[in-house]
Amino acid sequence: GENVEQHPSTLSVQEGDSAVIKCTYSDSASNYFPWYKQELGKRPQLIIDIRSNVGEKKDQRIAVTLNKTAKHFSLHITETQPEDSAVYFCAASIYNQGGKLIFGQGTELSVKP
Amino acid sequence: GAVVSQHPSRVICKSGTSVKIECRSLDFQATTMFWYRQFPKQSLMLMATSNEGSKATYEQGVEKDKFLINHASLTLSTLTVTSAHPEDSSFYICSASKGRDQPQHFGDGTRLSIL
Repeated sequence: GENVEQHPSTLSVQEGDSAVIKCTYSDSASNYFPWYKQELGKRPQLIIDIRSNVGEKKDQRIAVTLNKTAKHFSLHITETQPEDSAVYFCAASIYNQGGKLIFGQGTELSVKP
Repeated sequence: GAVVSQHPSRVICKSGTSVKIECRSLDFQATTMFWYRQFPKQSLMLMATSNEGSKATYEQGVEKDKFLINHASLTLSTLTVTSAHPEDSSFYICSASKGRDQPQHFGDGTRLSIL
């Protein structure tokens, strides 16, 4: 089955700097890659997603890139702010398997003022 | 929007009790819902896929007789943890989407504590 690896597990940056989180997946049939932000004790919230027919997607300070050949995708946050501090999860999904999500291990991002 | 409601948010009960958790899609119909389990400082682990009108599909290692899933309508799925024990204490979260090629939206989760 699908396996998603996520790095780093923790990331500390200064306010205003950029943050990059990387994920790799194992199943080449995966075709949908969302990113979720989860604050302590709360629900995961979708922040951006990308499909396999697209190489890059951007939404204000957040961007995601996908390399299908290498089977990896990355989250880029620019001009980080303290409120960006949270745990971020990548996930992969296979349409033909009902759309279930397999999550990476998570990255705890800390943005220091 | 796509709002998913989950109840209860917190349950504390004695060992041996069965606990039912509800997951509702409030403003859309969901033929498929998903149940996840999350331990502190860990990732979300998919437990099962809940299919409206049919049996749930369980992930490897998840006991179907322990975690009963019912998806009786297009807006409601329930997870019942039967004869719960302290090791079942965890954060349980459901999700739903408008279609399998659509984003999944999560409920607020249920924190289950078994004494």
